Parts: sequence; C-alpha cells; structure tokens
Amino acid sequence: QKEVEQDPGPLSVPEGAIVSLNCTYSNSAFQYFMWYRQYSRKGPELLMYTYSSGNKEDGRFTAQVDKSSKYISLFIRDSQPSDSATYLCAMQASGGYNKLIFGAGTRLAVHP
Amino acid sequence: SAVISQKPSRDICQRGTSLTIQCQVDSQVTMMFWYRQQPGQSLTLIATANQGSEATYESGFVIDKFPISRPNLTFSTLTVSNMSPEDSSIYLCSVVGSQETQYFGPGTRLLVL
Repeated sequence: QKEVEQDPGPLSVPEGAIVSLNCTYSNSAFQYFMWYRQYSRKGPELLMYTYSSGNKEDGRFTAQVDKSSKYISLFIRDSQPSDSATYLCAMQASGGYNKLIFGAGTRLAVHP
Repeated sequence: SAVISQKPSRDICQRGTSLTIQCQVDSQVTMMFWYRQQPGQSLTLIATANQGSEATYESGFVIDKFPISRPNLTFSTLTVSNMSPEDSSIYLCSVVGSQETQYFGPGTRLLVL
C-alpha cells in the first residue's frame, strides 16, 4: 500500500464548477500537508500549505485536513480554464528540511 | 520564494551514457533536494544534498548511479550514470524557502533511447 493515495483522474469539469480533489494517507506521523499545481512541462508550484488539521482558504482555493480520517482535500471554486493542470498532494512528518511524500497527482481539465 | 533554474531543460540520450543536470538557486540555501518524477508516477526523493558533506540517498538510490555534487550554497549537480530507458524521467531539484516549504525548479526532462 502506498503511503499517499490520490486518484489520478483525469477529471474534466465545465468552467465555473466547484472542483474537489482528495488524498488519503496511512502514516499518522504526517503533520504538514501541501498542494502543488503542475502545469504541463513545468515544475510543481506550491499552492496551499497547512499544518495539522483544519481549513485554510486562499482566494478560490480551500484546503482541508482531517487527520482523524487521514484525508485531505483541495476545493477550487469558480474553476477557470487556467486551472487545468495536475494537482499533487504532498505531506511530511516534520516541516521544511525533510522529504515530501507525494501522491500520484490528479489531472484536471476545465473546459470553457 | 527562491528562483530555481535547471539545465538542461530536456535531453535525449543513448543508453550507457551519463548526463549531468545542474540546479542553480538565486539565494544561499542549506539543503537542496533531488526528486525523480517517472511517467504517471509521483515524485520520489532521490537524495538530499548538503554543502560540504556527502549527499544522503533514499532507499533504492545509490551514489554510483546518481552522484551528486554541492560545491556551494547556491548550486548542485545530479549525474545520471550509465543510463537505461528506465531512467527516462523528469528530474527536479527543490529547496526549502519561506514557511519552511519546498519550492521546485522547472525540471529536466530526460529520454533515454
């Protein structure tokens, strides 16, 4: 079993839809949770960063962490064609100077 | 966040040869990380590069195959040695920036024939 499970998609939605992306994990030591966005032929770009459980909102993006269920989510409101990318969840037990464990990434396509 | 560049951005190589990938950061950083992203798979850490000491390799990765140099606080290289088609991947370096989170370079896309 992988430490982090993420549905690879692809996920196709119309412009303006609410998108829900999810990851589950097995290691209860994970404390730091991140979402990266990766456009085609580009490196991953940090989108959201959350410590421990709870919600964090940034513009159209909301990250949720439920440590009791070992489940994290990223919601995108009013999705735009420019949101079309691969979204990678990542997590680590300790902050910063430790390796990230990534999910496989979910490909999202937002069509006009 | 730090600005990270990688060279080359892409390359096509013959099996049995070696390729050295460069990672340059616009500010001094303590640690640099090298990841591999194989087609359809998640990013996997290869090794952590500290300036002035040997790199620390993850399980499944060895120094003979992926030698790393870290001559100063803004630069590192990863060499993929004696390449085979299974080494075809995207290779990414990352550094720890603000919020103690990792920021990634644009990646080097390698195809081994």
